[in-house]
Amino acid sequence: AQRVTQPEKLLSVFKGAPVELKCNYSYSGSPELFWYVQYSRQRLQLLLRHISRESIKGFTADLNKGETSFHLKKPFAQEEDSAMYYCALSGNRDDKIIFGKGTRLHILP
Amino acid sequence: EAQVTQNPRYLITVTGKKLTVTCSQNMNHEYMSWYRQDPGLGLRQIYYSMNVEVTDKGDVPEGYKVSRKEKRNFPLILESPSPNQTSLYFCASRPRTGFGEQYFGPGTRLTVT
Repeated sequence: AQRVTQPEKLLSVFKGAPVELKCNYSYSGSPELFWYVQYSRQRLQLLLRHISRESIKGFTADLNKGETSFHLKKPFAQEEDSAMYYCALSGNRDDKIIFGKGTRLHILP
Repeated sequence: EAQVTQNPRYLITVTGKKLTVTCSQNMNHEYMSWYRQDPGLGLRQIYYSMNVEVTDKGDVPEGYKVSRKEKRNFPLILESPSPNQTSLYFCASRPRTGFGEQYFGPGTRLTVT
């Protein structure tokens, strides 16, 4: 079954500390993985995708096919990083995008 | 500007009164989708459409209808809204071919009393 799992509903991190938001997936094939971010009272927007291998706002994510994970990382958290983060998967067998349940990141001053 | 628009942005209605939330995109995307977002449950897909006149159920389709008569529009219809449909609704679109980014609308906050 296709599935995206984000084990943490809420993650609280002190400003300046490293951040890691976990994402594991289940998919038989070669999916593309995404991270979307939703700031307070705003629409979801793409943060990064594994194909582009970019670093956006200091965030990076590496696709680990062996562990079927796509964890989101940032070395030094900033207060403006407080938001809801969704991991998502797009498969090559159909056009659906599957979202995880999301992790709320709260940066403590 | 490439965008997905939704209307209305906020709606308070009563149980049983039919309503439609419109969604429009100007990017010529084939794929469009509706989600509802509820605290603790994340995003759940209601319906999606891979092209004109092609729609399919998502994870939580009960109580909703959609139509796709034109490529740019994908309205969400609640024939007889109930309080458990109080939620934040997002429309989204993406190109069908390849691994395209999904663009989201600004959201519609619906309250059913």
